[in-house]
Amino acid sequence: GENVEQHPSTLSVQEGDSAVIKCTYSDSASNYFPWYKQELGKGPQLIIDIRSNVGEKKDQRIAVTLNKTAKHFSLHITETQPEDSAVYFCAAPSSYNTDKLIFGTGTRLQVFP
Amino acid sequence: DAGVIQSPRHEVTEMGQEVTLRCKPISGHDYLFWYRQTMMRGLELLIYFNNNVPIDDSGMPEDRFSAKMPNASFSTLKIQPSEPRDSAVYFCASSPGGPNEQFFGPGTRLTVL
Repeated sequence: GENVEQHPSTLSVQEGDSAVIKCTYSDSASNYFPWYKQELGKGPQLIIDIRSNVGEKKDQRIAVTLNKTAKHFSLHITETQPEDSAVYFCAAPSSYNTDKLIFGTGTRLQVFP
Repeated sequence: DAGVIQSPRHEVTEMGQEVTLRCKPISGHDYLFWYRQTMMRGLELLIYFNNNVPIDDSGMPEDRFSAKMPNASFSTLKIQPSEPRDSAVYFCASSPGGPNEQFFGPGTRLTVL
């Protein structure tokens, strides 16, 4: 949809703890939900994505869950490491043009050693 | 592949000057996206191309902004005349198809004095 809300805006965790970032979207027809990681001075990098035909996807320490009924999806990072510190963005397709992504406002994750 | 290449990485100019940002997408990618990132507005899509054809420029803020893609390996974003409020980081991204799997370049940090 045209509105993608992302929470929290900042998140601080101790190394080894888990981190969860949540996004909500407005268009029930949305079917693709990527997560991007942006390190300081670099462009966003796709780290994981999920399509609407599955409820969960994992890739090593990273997982994404999707709740289509509630229209929200979450990024889960387990066993966090200092190198996970970055800004994370979620996104969803625009209601008006599914070739366009609407990005959330970002979550700054800090992992303290 | 070297990834998406953008130039220059930094640009400082004075109000009223013309600015041209350049992008070389990943070879074989049919989609090219131009984004602008600011603290206030986050990551915004300005325009995107499919097979070198501009598809949606509804995100271009004003007529001062224009973009071209003369061939599959090159695109430009031009601002003429530039204004201080155009100061931002501009990203180019490419993908093999639609909004999925977008690869971002390192960005151009533009400062208009």
